[in-house]
Amino acid sequence: DVKVTQSSRYLVKRTGEKVFLECVQDMDHENMFWYRQDPGLGLRLIYFSYDVKMKEKGDIPEGYSVSREKKERFSLILESASTNQTSMYLCASSLSRLGASNYGYTFGSGTRL
Amino acid sequence: KNEVEQSPQNLTAQEGEFITINCSYSVGISALHWLQQHPGGGIVSLFMLSSGKKKHGRLIATINIQEKHSSLHITASHPRDSAVYICAVSIRNQFYFGTGTSLTVIP
Repeated sequence: DVKVTQSSRYLVKRTGEKVFLECVQDMDHENMFWYRQDPGLGLRLIYFSYDVKMKEKGDIPEGYSVSREKKERFSLILESASTNQTSMYLCASSLSRLGASNYGYTFGSGTRL
Repeated sequence: KNEVEQSPQNLTAQEGEFITINCSYSVGISALHWLQQHPGGGIVSLFMLSSGKKKHGRLIATINIQEKHSSLHITASHPRDSAVYICAVSIRNQFYFGTGTSLTVIP
């Protein structure tokens, strides 16, 4: 089974701190995604990546950056955490370059920040 | 405007009841997905549909491409079915998500 692992289940940070959320997948997936999930708003795409060192903005990239130095790892960075970034963060990965239509789409367990 | 609309937002059922969750979308899609999220956050994929109907155990998913509508049915519901069910569509290279239906099945 494909496994997507997020490094922390729960994280508490102060405003202004730099925060790193790590996501690792073990099935050589090309595509990786970061979402945040908020009540009433559902899942919203922050950033995604189709390949190493490639990244594209999603719907709500403001206040976030990402890093993909290795294929299996996709990091979400909050340069200066703010209270409105309190949320559940979910990482996902998928198999093909076209990504979303493939069955291999798999989520991590989430990090509640 | 959200491309994906789900209803109901919240649903409480007695154990054994037949449950239906609906999903409507507004644009052409590559595929529609039903996801399940248990308390604690982990999301698993239940179904991916591009046409017709799929069944897995007590879960049935249908899609009507012409009407841009999908339903997820749970037969003989059980308390362990309590979760958030999320409809998602793939459009071009991305997913778009409904806001989810929170299901509680009471023993």
